[in-house]
Amino acid sequence: EPEVTQTPSHQVTQMGQEVILRCVPISNHLYFYWYRQILGQKVEFLVSFYNNEISEKSEIFDDQFSVERPDGSNFTLKIRSTKLEDSAMYFCASEGENSYEQYFGPGTRLTVT
Amino acid sequence: GQQLNQSPQSMFIQEGEDVSMNCTSSSIFNTWLWYKQDPGEGPVLLIALYKAGELTSNGRLTAQFGITRKDSFLNISASIPSDVGIYFCAGHRGSTLGRLYFGRGTQLTVWP
Repeated sequence: EPEVTQTPSHQVTQMGQEVILRCVPISNHLYFYWYRQILGQKVEFLVSFYNNEISEKSEIFDDQFSVERPDGSNFTLKIRSTKLEDSAMYFCASEGENSYEQYFGPGTRLTVT
Repeated sequence: GQQLNQSPQSMFIQEGEDVSMNCTSSSIFNTWLWYKQDPGEGPVLLIALYKAGELTSNGRLTAQFGITRKDSFLNISASIPSDVGIYFCAGHRGSTLGRLYFGRGTQLTVWP
């Protein structure tokens, strides 16, 4: 069964460093999302992406964040200068056409020290 | 931001018991989804509901989309140890590229 994959599973970085989190959405899906989940809390929306453009972003997704689909399969989230409060699980999700069902990857645990 | 109130926050039950949890919102959603999350994993989609009043089953799971479109319920019958995890409701406005609004989750523990 097709699934969303994410790499790395765990990333440790120092405050101020740049990180890139990678996702491979389900192959025939068109709509892509990033969410994050701070430990013990609910899942929060960051950004939605379609046709090489951001569709919507939340108040969390400030100028330090960017997304890109560099090729036909990968979808990336970049944090330019990480802060301690960026420590969280980051989930990529993808959605097919004519469906509101978003399928999530296993997540990347980002730890900023 | 949009608030989804999910209850109960946690449940401790014995294997074989039925479980019921619910989610309420102050505003209308056009789609409700239920996810299960195991520790250190991503949310796994269990059931999607598209129509007010709809009742949908997936094995031992049954979910309902409330008539007011402001609530949804998830029932698990005859629970087993592998049902352990956190169950999240999520609301969707029903538009393309719409974000999901998640509840805070119900932590389910099943004793053998």
